[in-house]
Amino acid sequence: DTEVTQTPKHLVMGMTNKKSLKCEQHMGHRAMYWYKQKAKKPPELMFVYSYEKLSINESVPSRFSPECPNSSLLNLHLHALQPEDSALYLCASSPSAEGEAFFGQGTRLTVV
Amino acid sequence: QKEVEQNSGPLSVPEGAIASLNCTYSDRGSQSFFWYRQYSGKSPELIMFIYSNGDKEDGRFTAQLNKASQYVSLLIRDSQPSDSATYLCAVGGGTASKLTFGTGTRLQVTL
Repeated sequence: DTEVTQTPKHLVMGMTNKKSLKCEQHMGHRAMYWYKQKAKKPPELMFVYSYEKLSINESVPSRFSPECPNSSLLNLHLHALQPEDSALYLCASSPSAEGEAFFGQGTRLTVV
Repeated sequence: QKEVEQNSGPLSVPEGAIASLNCTYSDRGSQSFFWYRQYSGKSPELIMFIYSNGDKEDGRFTAQLNKASQYVSLLIRDSQPSDSATYLCAVGGGTASKLTFGTGTRLQVTL
């Protein structure tokens, strides 16, 4: 079962709101990722967790805060976002930090 | 110089033809190579991965890797309209412990 589940599928939030994106995988993968994708652009890496520890932060603004509660779950906490943060947010997991990554269906985020 | 380069397309091929998608990368230490298919509004779907020089076949798809020339390609035989999508090349290993994506090639299979 190569399934990564993301919730919610769609999210509209105001610039003063706090919300969280959730991601879950049960494949025993040890690496999990958050990507951001704008229209007609490739996925842009935000964070990598390897063995539940943050291993890569691609200079993402602090209004995005990742959390890995356990090996199956990955959250992305959002606070004080800007309209330009509107995008498709993708979670992925892989057996290791350089292995084949499997993506969830994404959360379509709109900041108003 | 971009780390992973792809022609953005669109690449237009008739139904039943072979589609050839190419990707070059700059980091000679790269170890793993992936092809993803992404339909409009959907998330990327892994269709092939290759780690060793040569060809790897899976159904209608063949991935080809040439580390000396630093390119990886994807051939799609008997192209179908359902193959119309953006194909993303991703490269892993090397100096950065992460996947680096190319900008993608949009493929259009015409009837």
